[in-house]
Amino acid sequence: SQTIHQWPATLVQPVGSPLSLECTVEGTSNPNLYWYRQAAGRGLQLLFYSVGIGQISSEVPQNLSASRPQDRQFILSSKKLLLSDSGFYLCAWSRRAYEQYFGPGTRLTVT
Amino acid sequence: AQTVTQSQPEMSVQEAETVTLSCTYDTSESNYYLFWYKQPPSRQMILVIRQEAYKQQNATENRFSVNFQKAAKSFSLKISDSQLGDTAMYFCAFITPSGTYKYIFGTGTRLKVLA
Repeated sequence: SQTIHQWPATLVQPVGSPLSLECTVEGTSNPNLYWYRQAAGRGLQLLFYSVGIGQISSEVPQNLSASRPQDRQFILSSKKLLLSDSGFYLCAWSRRAYEQYFGPGTRLTVT
Repeated sequence: AQTVTQSQPEMSVQEAETVTLSCTYDTSESNYYLFWYKQPPSRQMILVIRQEAYKQQNATENRFSVNFQKAAKSFSLKISDSQLGDTAMYFCAFITPSGTYKYIFGTGTRLKVLA
């Protein structure tokens, strides 16, 4: 069966510090991968998605970036965090245009 | 542009009763997939049910069922025998097999089940 992992679960970082969130998927190959951000009590904002290694599509121009160094690994990064980067970050995978499966999420607080 | 609209920001229902959450969407595609996701207080997104547009039969998963009206572009979720554990945010989502593999999500409906 397929599983998706995200870490860390919780992160508190000062403004201006770097960020690296990691997502890995097990039990499938060549998945589509997605990063979403969710403000408290709000909907999902798609940040990046990837249909293959090295293929990244950005939805929101900002100080975040994403990379896919391996087939089942998706990394969200920032060189300098802003207060507005606080939120709940969700990674998800899908098999083409079928249902998405989500990781447990990372709660990021920028202080 | 493809859109998904959930017009009910909040709803409540008594335990053991039935509740229906609304979702409408807009697309010019004829082939697509629709989903309902549940996000409990833990914030883990859980797939509740899916519907393929080419299937006329409404999907059912235990106490959860949908009313899919393709011509009206409507996809409502019915929860029967509501339980306290059904308290959550519910998101409707849509994707087409062609194109960019981007899922379009609604803004969510917050459902509270009352004891």
